[in-house]
Amino acid sequence: SQQGEEDPQALSIQEGENATMNCSYKTSINNLQWYRQNSGRGLVHLILIRSNEREKHSGRLRVTLDTSKKSSSLLITASRAADTASYFCATDPQRFYSNYQLIWGAGTKLIIKP
Amino acid sequence: DTGVSQDPRHKITKRGQNVTFRCDPISEHNRLYWYRQTLGQGPEFLTYFQNEAQLEKSRLLSDRFSAERPKGSFSTLEIQRTEQGDSAMYLCASSPRGPNQPQHFGDGTRLSIL
Repeated sequence: SQQGEEDPQALSIQEGENATMNCSYKTSINNLQWYRQNSGRGLVHLILIRSNEREKHSGRLRVTLDTSKKSSSLLITASRAADTASYFCATDPQRFYSNYQLIWGAGTKLIIKP
Repeated sequence: DTGVSQDPRHKITKRGQNVTFRCDPISEHNRLYWYRQTLGQGPEFLTYFQNEAQLEKSRLLSDRFSAERPKGSFSTLEIQRTEQGDSAMYLCASSPRGPNQPQHFGDGTRLSIL
């Protein structure tokens, strides 16, 4: 079952603009993770934010987490053509016992126009 | 750290044939996951190993699917009597022990059933 839902499904912006993607989820979590996937390739981990954290940065990436709204956002600043990819959020739900199984959304397809 | 490697990258086979995929995780990672991904969707969890023990299998995994991880190192995923609906990208990921760990993905095996 897919817990995370990304919004929008697709986003097309000009190079240099900022891109914001959102993720909503349904149950309490241990952490939320963002991944990038280039066409035909595997997923690359971007940022992990724990449930007790509200914001994390990594280079041009900024992730926020609002556990009261069960939502997260990924901001990519000063976008580049190389940022063109699909972006997925994945949650590690709180369980009676943890198998560290992530629950994935369907992703946001980001296109950066030169 | 050579990353997660999967073999083959592409597999084309006729319906009804058996196929086997291999995954070599990052050597110090004790957790290994198999996912299936179809176009435009996020990864769907198939199964999870901690060392050599298969701790969880998705209900998606019919009796035609079997996975092994002998000696807790590489893993194989076998699909018997393939069907058209098995066409997908099969992704392997590994992660180290402990909570709040990201998963590291291989580039997947794309299976096409004729």
